[in-house]
Parts: sequence; C-alpha cells; structure tokens
Amino acid sequence: KNQVEQSPQSLIILEGKNCTLQCNYTVSPFSNLRWYKQDTGRGPVSLTIMTFSENTKSNGRYTATLDADTKQSSLHITASQLSDSASYICVVSALPPDYKLSFGAGTTVTVRA
Amino acid sequence: KAGVTQTPRYLIKTRGQQVTLSCSPISGHRSVSWYQQTPGQGLQFLFEYFSETQRNKGNFPGRFSGRQFSNSRSEMNVSTLELGDSALYLCASSLTGPNYGYTFGSGTRLTVV
Repeated sequence: KNQVEQSPQSLIILEGKNCTLQCNYTVSPFSNLRWYKQDTGRGPVSLTIMTFSENTKSNGRYTATLDADTKQSSLHITASQLSDSASYICVVSALPPDYKLSFGAGTTVTVRA
Repeated sequence: KAGVTQTPRYLIKTRGQQVTLSCSPISGHRSVSWYQQTPGQGLQFLFEYFSETQRNKGNFPGRFSGRQFSNSRSEMNVSTLELGDSALYLCASSLTGPNYGYTFGSGTRLTVV
C-alpha cells in the first residue's frame, strides 16, 4: 500500500483561479515533505520542502501547508497561469537510516484560458 | 552550477536488447538515486548509490542494475528489455542521501518496441 496518497488525481481550472491539492501520508518516522512540479517529459522540480516543525512554506504563487499531527499536507496555487499546467507530486522522506523516498501518484493540473 | 545531467534524452530499443543510461550528478554530490516513472505506476525507486556502493534497492528484477564510478557518475543498465520497461528514467543526486536536498535530472525517455 502506498504510503503517500494524493487527491484529486486530476483537475481542470480556469486561468486566474485558485486551487488546492491534497497529500496524506503514513510515512514514519517523518523527516520532511516536498512538493514537486513536473512538466510533461521533464524531471520534477522542487517547489517547497517542509520539516516537522514547519506549518507553511511559500514559493511565489505556491503555498504548501503541513499538519504533522494529522499527516496531511496541501499545496495551494494562487491566481493560476497557463504555465502551472503540470503534474504535482508529493514526496515524503523518512528519517535515516531509511534512505528511500515515498512518492505520491501526483495530481495533474490543467489550466485553461 | 550545473544541474544533474542525464544522457541520452531519448532512446528507442527493441525487445530483448539491453540499454545503458548515464547520470552525472551535481558536482560534489555523492549520492545518486534512480527512479522509473510510468503513467500507471508513478515514480518507483530503483536503487541508490553512495560512494560507489549500492546503499538501497527497490523491488525491481535483476535485469535492472547500476553502478557508480569514483567521480560519482552513475550508470543504469537494463538487460533483456521488455515492452513494459518503456518509461521515463530519472536520476536524482544529493550530497549525502535522498532524505536531504536532492535534485532530479530531466530524465531519459526509453521506448521499447
């Protein structure tokens, strides 16, 4: 069973609108959580990284939140642009010595004019 | 500074052949991880190398192998290719391990016909 679940699987929004993506995880012991943006056929690019003690992290129009108690994270995209069309992947790391990362299946966001 | 470089970007192979993919990490990074990404399975961990030693391995058959050189460059080899091996293969480099700061390359798109 995947330790990182993302929802929704995909969504379509109009340019200029906001949207929120969800990530629930069961990875333990928790080290950090990252959100990545991946354009089609390209490698993932890091948007934010949060550790246990961080609740919110922003990167331009992207704002990630983390609730370590409920093991939930969200990524909010404000005033979406056509270039935001991509897959957004939630990645959770466990504390060493486990060096494996747990990946969500991703949420595909399509922004339409 | 230069990012993670993967070569080649695209590859077409025939079933039964073997293939070698290359990954040059960010200068100074000693950890290289490999991942397979397919539309149905998302990102799947293949293996991680650190200082020329395989430190972690995912659940892939023995046809998938890798190695790391003294300059931290890494290669991944797939023998006896199957149609299901068609995927985007990504590598990520890190200073000490994927739990800490890591950067993905743009990937190699392998198509098996």
